[in-house]
Amino acid sequence: GAVVSQHPSRVICKSGTSVKIECRSLDFQATTMFWYRQFPKQSLMLMATSNEGSKATYEQGVEKDKFLINHASLTLSTLTVTSAHPEDSSFYICSASTTRRDRLSYEQYFGPGTRLTVT
Amino acid sequence: KQEVTQIPAALSVPEGENLVLNCSFTDSAIYNLQWFRQDPGKGLTSLLLIQSSQREQTSGRLNASLDKSSGRSTLYIAASQPGDSATYLCAVSQGGSEKLVFGKGTKLTVNP
Repeated sequence: GAVVSQHPSRVICKSGTSVKIECRSLDFQATTMFWYRQFPKQSLMLMATSNEGSKATYEQGVEKDKFLINHASLTLSTLTVTSAHPEDSSFYICSASTTRRDRLSYEQYFGPGTRLTVT
Repeated sequence: KQEVTQIPAALSVPEGENLVLNCSFTDSAIYNLQWFRQDPGKGLTSLLLIQSSQREQTSGRLNASLDKSSGRSTLYIAASQPGDSATYLCAVSQGGSEKLVFGKGTKLTVNP
């Protein structure tokens, strides 16, 4: 259980175009989803927190108009990179949060990631 | 601002060795600490989660300890195998928030 999928796994796009990445929780409902970015040999950096039915909360330094997040249902969140530039090339990973079995805390389950290359 | 540091950045050991990975965090007011495994070009697999009130968690050959007051955690891997080769990430969450702050990871190579 607790499987999170991402689509696509890899995408190459030209500079100036937009790319949409989907994150789905396959066997559970997630009220909260998170989007991370990981550059080579660097750690995961949280970009934004996405709650179903409300606007995403962006971390400091992340442009909300460039990275559009939509969380339309309890099982789907999308990240759209608008007007992509080569410096946006990175590994994007989403996670979905659900309560643990003890119902006392939450746990995040991570997707397999999407490799974005902007040429 | 919470900062998570992992030492060493890379580690290479022969198969069968027991090894320890280290994680330290600057703000001891954490909610929980997690250890993840990441294979090249892949997402994260959760290995162990330690609540702030706990001292350790075990799963198979893995044992994670937490010393919250000193801001440290260790991941102990017994009888390492080549299949253990991966990058191991440590992450902490603060009280009242689900946000995770990650370290840069330790890249482990277990040589047959």
